[in-house]
Amino acid sequence: QVQLVQSGAEVKKPGASVKVSCKASGYTFTSYGISWVRQAPGQGLEWMGWISAYNGNTNYAQKLQGRVTMTTDTSTSTAYMELRSLRSDDTAVYYCARDRQQLVLSDFDYWGQGTLVTVSS
Amino acid sequence: NFMLTQPHSVSESPGKTVTISCTRSSGSIASNYVQWYQQRPGSAPTTVIYEDNQRPSGVPDRFSGSIDSSSNSASLTISGLKTEDEADYYCQSYDSSNVVFGGGTKLTVL
Repeated sequence: QVQLVQSGAEVKKPGASVKVSCKASGYTFTSYGISWVRQAPGQGLEWMGWISAYNGNTNYAQKLQGRVTMTTDTSTSTAYMELRSLRSDDTAVYYCARDRQQLVLSDFDYWGQGTLVTVSS
Repeated sequence: NFMLTQPHSVSESPGKTVTISCTRSSGSIASNYVQWYQQRPGSAPTTVIYEDNQRPSGVPDRFSGSIDSSSNSASLTISGLKTEDEADYYCQSYDSSNVVFGGGTKLTVL
């Protein structure tokens, strides 16, 4: 069965970076895209960006441009999301989600369990 | 970029029918598919409707989706409400470069 398993919770200081992993199993990794979505405490869902696991093309949300990098390692079927220059308002649960399309943005059919990133001095 | 606007909360009694709206601010609601996700506290979202009106396997037919071009909105309708339907519901759509979520609607079944 399709599974997306994310790395564990992180606590970071303001200005630091965090890298969250998302290991996929149960499907051909390069046949789909991966999006990252975050949810601040008590808030709604915010799309952060997308990467095609097929060719590595990315598309980032405008507000995060310059601070976020998404990559994949096809040898281990793992996607990564790195966020730099962390601020307190980056405190959130970060989800990876499988895009139903390989090469373009679409919708999400499977989600990781979420990774809590806390930014605090 | 467009926005998707949902009511903040809705409530209804068990057995009744509720409809949650999702209005697109610019561009046609029909230009890109709309999806609906259910999120229970402490859990990741799950899809209840994709491609405007399609139900994933395992989602009961009490859940249905539609779009209305005249109001430029999408709707999620849940009939025969059960207490287990109490959750947050998010609509989602996209264009060539952006994915957008609605702000979410808290459904209370009381």
